[in-house]
Order: sequence, then C-alpha cells, then structure tokens
Amino acid sequence: QVHLVESGGGLVKPGGSLRLSCAASGFTFSDSYMTWIRQAPGKGLEWVSYISSSGHTTSYADSVKGRFTISRDNSKNSLYLQMNSLRVEDTAMYYCSIEGNTGQFDPWGQGTLVTVSS
Amino acid sequence: SYVLTQPPSVSVAPGKTAGITCGGDNIGTYSVHWYQQKPGQAPVLVVYDDSDRPSGIPERFSGSNSGNTATLTIARVEAGDEADYYCQVWDSSSVHSWVFGGGTRLTVL
Repeated sequence: QVHLVESGGGLVKPGGSLRLSCAASGFTFSDSYMTWIRQAPGKGLEWVSYISSSGHTTSYADSVKGRFTISRDNSKNSLYLQMNSLRVEDTAMYYCSIEGNTGQFDPWGQGTLVTVSS
Repeated sequence: SYVLTQPPSVSVAPGKTAGITCGGDNIGTYSVHWYQQKPGQAPVLVVYDDSDRPSGIPERFSGSNSGNTATLTIARVEAGDEADYYCQVWDSSSVHSWVFGGGTRLTVL
C-alpha cells in the first residue's frame, strides 16, 4: 500500500528556515515523480514544487522560487523541501504527492503544518 | 499563466445529481483531474484524465470535458459527499505547469 508521511513542520519566525521531509513506502520511489503542494488556512490548493525521478529536473512556483529547494534521496525513499527566507504568507499545510503520467496527484500524504509568525 | 475557474459553492439535495464546473481557455485540450477534500483531511483524487476513476471511487462520480468547460458530476448525492472539490490540469506548455481551480464547496441540503 502506498504511504506518504510528511514531517518537519512547525512554528518559525519570518526570515527563518525549515526542512520538510516526506517518507515514502509501498511503491518504487526511485521511479516516481514527486511534488509538494500547499494549502494556506481556509484557502485553496497551490502547487509548490516538482522533482523528477532522478532528481535532475526541478520546478518551482514563482511564489517560492529562489527561496525553496526540493530534493530527494532515492536510497532513503525520501523527499525533502528546504524552505529559506520564510514569509508569513508561506503559512500553510504542506503535502507531498506522487505525480502521475498526465499530471495528476495521487495519493497525498496527511500533510505537515508550517506556521510563519513573529 | 493558465487559470481555472470554479463556482465557490454548489448545493444539492440528497439523492439528486450535482454538477461542479471548471472553466478554462480551451480546457477541452487538457487532461482534467478532480479532487475531493473533506474538512481536516488531505485531498483525494476522484476523477483523472477527464473521466477515469481511481480504484475505490464510486461509480457515482463521473467527469466530462469539452470546449471551455470541464464538469464533475456526482449522482445520487449522499451526505458524505459534502466536501470541497478542486479541478486541476497540467499545462505542459508552461514552466510552472500544475494549476488548480479555486475550489467548490459542495453542500448537501
């Protein structure tokens, strides 16, 4: 059974940093495209970042480009999101997900909450 | 960037059919995916590639896509279908390619 578990969220001050992790199991992680998606409190879904199966190709939403870095360790079946220069508007639940062949996201982890506040 | 437009809310009586629309320029040329999100839970894929259902999703959920509008249809609506629904596409012509609609709150009366 496919399982994704995010961790690393918490309370951080503006300008601070956090590193999110996503532990994957139940599928061939090294063959899978992975993505991070976030949802601000009471708001809709926003795609954040994508990484190819090898890790050689990445992409970022304009709202996080230059501040966030996506990476993966296929030997550990793990996905990461390094978040620097955090802003109040980065406050959200962050989900990791597998990207399918036509760009769909399935399944999703349960999410980890990031709160940026002074 | 590509924009998807959904109505903020749709209401339907139990047992009736609900339709949730997703508008976008020539959306019929894209593969549209739909997600259900219940309060406090992660989103769940309910329809992909316009009209296919993942395993475990009831046949009551169906989708269509043509022209400038995609539609998620939920037949014989149940109280448990009350949730937020999001459409999404992958715009392969754009660098930042994954786009969500703003979401629709389905209320079962």
